[in-house]
Amino acid sequence: GDSVTQMEGPVTLSEEAFLTINCTYTATGYPSLFWYVQYPGEGLQLLLKATKADDKGSNKGFEATYRKETTSFHLEKGSVQVSDSAVYFCALSVQGNNRLAFGKGNQVVVIP
Amino acid sequence: GAGVSQSPSNKVTEKGKDVELRCDPISGHTALYWYRQSLGQGLEFLIYFQGNSAPDKSGLPSDRFSAERTGGSVSTLTIQRTQQEDSAVYLCASSGSLNGEQYFGPGTRLTVT
Repeated sequence: GDSVTQMEGPVTLSEEAFLTINCTYTATGYPSLFWYVQYPGEGLQLLLKATKADDKGSNKGFEATYRKETTSFHLEKGSVQVSDSAVYFCALSVQGNNRLAFGKGNQVVVIP
Repeated sequence: GAGVSQSPSNKVTEKGKDVELRCDPISGHTALYWYRQSLGQGLEFLIYFQGNSAPDKSGLPSDRFSAERTGGSVSTLTIQRTQQEDSAVYLCASSGSLNGEQYFGPGTRLTVT
């Protein structure tokens, strides 16, 4: 079945550090890939997406590139801020299936 | 409103009681989804409605769970004879396209005591 794997454990880093959150996927079809973010006390928000291989999604300084050869969609940001502290979820959907399959999420804590 | 709304925001119920959770999708969105977010299981798909088509119920964990969508808009998720393991945040999302871009509501936190 379709599934998403995110790196284990929370991520704690200092302001202005480089952030990477790994995401790999398994899909029966040709998926669209997403990163969702959940800020403290708020609902899930779409951060960025990519719908085909080699596409790069970007938003708010975050980027992720759809790598079909490695079935990955790693999230990166060059210089994090305290306001980026949140839980980040990688997800996929396969056309015709429509549901989102989510990874377990990663808590990111940015300290000043 | 511009976004997906859900009610109530919090619900505490006793084991064995029935509960109803409501979702108002974004106006004009034909697709509506229910998910559950719990500590042990992460985010799980429950059910999907698309227009007038039969819903995809394949994610419902037991026959105590059901959902309906009236008039292609508002949806109600019903849990009968609630159990403690039903405690979770229930999220609703809607979509206006077929490529999976979904917009989420704030969720209903259900606590079964």
